[in-house]
Amino acid sequence: QSALTQPASVSGSPGQSITISCTGTSSDVGDYNRVSWYQQYPGKAPKLMIFEVNNRPSGVSDRFSGSKSGNTASLTMSGLQAEDEADYYCSSYTNRHTWVFGGGTKLTVV
Amino acid sequence: EVQLVESGGGLVQPGRSLRLSCEASGFTFNKYSFNWVRQAPGKGLEWISYIADMGMITYADSVKGRFTISRDNVKNSLHLQMNSLRVEDTAVYYCAREGYYSGFDCWGQGTLVSVSS
Repeated sequence: QSALTQPASVSGSPGQSITISCTGTSSDVGDYNRVSWYQQYPGKAPKLMIFEVNNRPSGVSDRFSGSKSGNTASLTMSGLQAEDEADYYCSSYTNRHTWVFGGGTKLTVV
Repeated sequence: EVQLVESGGGLVQPGRSLRLSCEASGFTFNKYSFNWVRQAPGKGLEWISYIADMGMITYADSVKGRFTISRDNVKNSLHLQMNSLRVEDTAVYYCAREGYYSGFDCWGQGTLVSVSS
């Protein structure tokens, strides 16, 4: 099972909006709405930010939103803040009843 | 408080075995499915195994035949038996709960497994 494809890094200025893409195949992202996004700070466990493509868990800022088109899912962060600087991972359920993660994207707030 | 706490990591030689545990508290354990996810040093997340509330089990190809996931609904614990360990299995291992809606909504703090001679 190949990892989902994410850009290695993205950057933005405070207040700006950025989008991270996550490309899979018709066997995972394209076939299921079970796409999630996770935020991870160095040395810490990941935190669920988006589940089922575009749903936010309680307590997650509405500056975070998700979407999907075909085999590509996206995470958008609006009103970028310094505290958003972290690694972000997408994940999808697959037709083999497994999960697959993206390679991760390092967000830098400059 | 919903909590997952892993244990059992350590330094082990290639070819040896190790058993990880994940103790759950603060929720009804037997109503949830769980996963093991690992992260090699400086690398990304890798899903490795799943066990459903009703018992279905799946593995990543990288560990199939070597690792065994199990759960104890009486002791509210999740386990990962790792056999025939390889250097490339070196990673922080996380247990993660799958929420009622798809998504890993609770993670442990991780336990480090180092495989080296």
